[in-house]
Amino acid sequence: ETGVTQSPTHLIKTRGQQVTLRCSSQSGHNTVSWYQQALGQGPQFIFQYYREEENGRGNFPPRFSGLQFPNYSSELNVNALELDDSALYLCASSLAHSRNTEAFFGQGTRLTVV
Amino acid sequence: KNQVEQSPQSLIILEGKNCTLQCNYTVSPFSNLRWYKQDTGRGPVSLTIMTFSENTKSNGRYTATLDADTKQSSLHITASQLSDSASYICVVSVEDSSYKLIFGSGTRLLVRP
Repeated sequence: ETGVTQSPTHLIKTRGQQVTLRCSSQSGHNTVSWYQQALGQGPQFIFQYYREEENGRGNFPPRFSGLQFPNYSSELNVNALELDDSALYLCASSLAHSRNTEAFFGQGTRLTVV
Repeated sequence: KNQVEQSPQSLIILEGKNCTLQCNYTVSPFSNLRWYKQDTGRGPVSLTIMTFSENTKSNGRYTATLDADTKQSSLHITASQLSDSASYICVVSVEDSSYKLIFGSGTRLLVRP
């Protein structure tokens, strides 16, 4: 186990609804990144949070937003859900003092939009 | 455009055999290259991480190589086991402020008895 936990593990939502996914980072890690992984594809970078500030964003629309809390846990919020948002959402935590630092992934949240 | 391409897309081998997976990347500026193993529906687990100055790195039966000049990497699996069945993903880290990881689409490996 990596020490990174995500909740919930599975979720079914209706198109147009909003969803919040949660991630608890590994102890001592101050950076959390979120990724979207469609079936059969590699993960795509959504955004990263470092010490409660967004620190980089991928090619995702503004309806994807996030938060990082003082204990470095994080949330991913998606508004106005679309069918194509169905995917495995992964969070990864790391200690961002070095670019060669290891990133540890949670088990993911499987989101299905119907 | 930053891209990571892997081949083959899928591979079937018999238990006990060796195999080699390939990765080509066009990521700049390059920071490091990682190989991850991902079981279906689970998060990726790190196997190796190499900077541009490292040519090879091993982790048990897994050996990764890196040629920073040709921007190619390989992952060699020795004496495969049934538990090696998974997707193997090549990941390149971008040398900028966001520590962004660029993932390949993975090679799906199936080891048969």
